[in-house]
Amino acid sequence: GQNIDQPTEMTATEGAIVQINCTYQTSGFNGLFWYQQHAGEAPTFLSYNVLDGLEEKGRFSSFLSRSKGYSYLLLKELQMKDSASYLCAVRPFNNNDMRFGAGTRLTVKP
Amino acid sequence: DAGVIQSPRHEVTEMGQEVTLRCKPISGHDYLFWYRQTMMRGLELLIYFNNNVPIDDSGMPEDRFSAKMPNASFSTLKIQPSEPRDSAVYFCASSFGWGNTGELFFGEGSRLTVL
Repeated sequence: GQNIDQPTEMTATEGAIVQINCTYQTSGFNGLFWYQQHAGEAPTFLSYNVLDGLEEKGRFSSFLSRSKGYSYLLLKELQMKDSASYLCAVRPFNNNDMRFGAGTRLTVKP
Repeated sequence: DAGVIQSPRHEVTEMGQEVTLRCKPISGHDYLFWYRQTMMRGLELLIYFNNNVPIDDSGMPEDRFSAKMPNASFSTLKIQPSEPRDSAVYFCASSFGWGNTGELFFGEGSRLTVL
């Protein structure tokens, strides 16, 4: 089966840094994704990791440790518009099937 | 490209009625996914297709749910008969496989309310 865990809610201050963790136990591994979803909207792709290490993309970075079944999304210089849910997703097999965690609702306060 | 297009955006129906949700994937994408999102269960994969062929429908809740993809540019998800517990946002997503990250592109979703 597939088990993907992430915190339900987090709160941070504008301008600060926040780290959203994700742990997974899946029957296979072929990539880990982070998506952002604003309330009432569709999820949009943020980042992709398939090898261990850090991938940086502007204010957002994502880290993966396959041996630990662990990833995090790091958001720097937080802005009010970063208030959203952040979904961790794993592609367990060698196809494009993708399973999502329940999401972490991030609230950025002034 | 216009992105993934879903219709209807909102539907309110009564228990027992048939519901048909429609999706047009991004042109050239060879994978199509149907997800359901609720507060309680998050984003659940219902079924996905590769080159119009259903690959995994193990997430389809029960026989009341069916999905088809008659061609590369159209898919439907049908619920018959509908029940209040089917109320959710249904997302269609498409992606391009092999040699690519395989990221999903989501439609705007169809918000279904069954009374």
